[in-house]
Amino acid sequence: NAGVTQTPKFQVLKTGQSMTLQCAQDMNHNSMYWYRQDPGMGLRLIYYSASEGTTDKGEVPNGYNVSRLNKREFSLRLESAAPSQTSVYFCASSERGSNSYEQYFGPGTRLTVT
Amino acid sequence: KNEVEQSPQNLTAQEGEFITINCSYSVGISALHWLQQHPGGGIVSLFMLSSGKKKHGRLIATINIQEKHSSLHITASHPRDSAVYICAVRTSGSRLTFGEGTQLTVNP
Repeated sequence: NAGVTQTPKFQVLKTGQSMTLQCAQDMNHNSMYWYRQDPGMGLRLIYYSASEGTTDKGEVPNGYNVSRLNKREFSLRLESAAPSQTSVYFCASSERGSNSYEQYFGPGTRLTVT
Repeated sequence: KNEVEQSPQNLTAQEGEFITINCSYSVGISALHWLQQHPGGGIVSLFMLSSGKKKHGRLIATINIQEKHSSLHITASHPRDSAVYICAVRTSGSRLTFGEGTQLTVNP
């Protein structure tokens, strides 16, 4: 099992460009999340999806859109990138079970917007 | 004030030392998570606690619900324990709120 995979690992964008970050999990989890991590701050939730077909805003949703394509995949789109969106982005998934809501993280995408 | 506060922010220790990282939170929670972020960036879950104490190898996590406080202890620390340790609380559903992390460096 690959767990949670993210593509790309690195990306440089110019201000105003758009891109989609891809995330997939093979653990049959219902819930998926997108976070950003900035120096001196904790991980902050951008959007999450409690189950296939649903998405909800997190703490910092402005400038982002998401799509829960199916149970496996959850993508994050930047329509018009801004330097303030320079960050490391993590996707995660979780499922309620014996380890209730333990979250499994992808390797991260390091995004620079110039 | 953040809902989740960790201390210290940075910690340097010598190999073999006993290490304690603290986490305080200000909201009611259903569970508290400790995670480790490796120097390469990957994040893994270490513990999930709703009461008491858990132990895994040289790592011990405790929580005091009444005092809204948790500690992560590392016994006989080793350079490979060098990482960022992150506390996160779950208040409802599956969403987590994260502390800023504690950067631990263990020198040989």
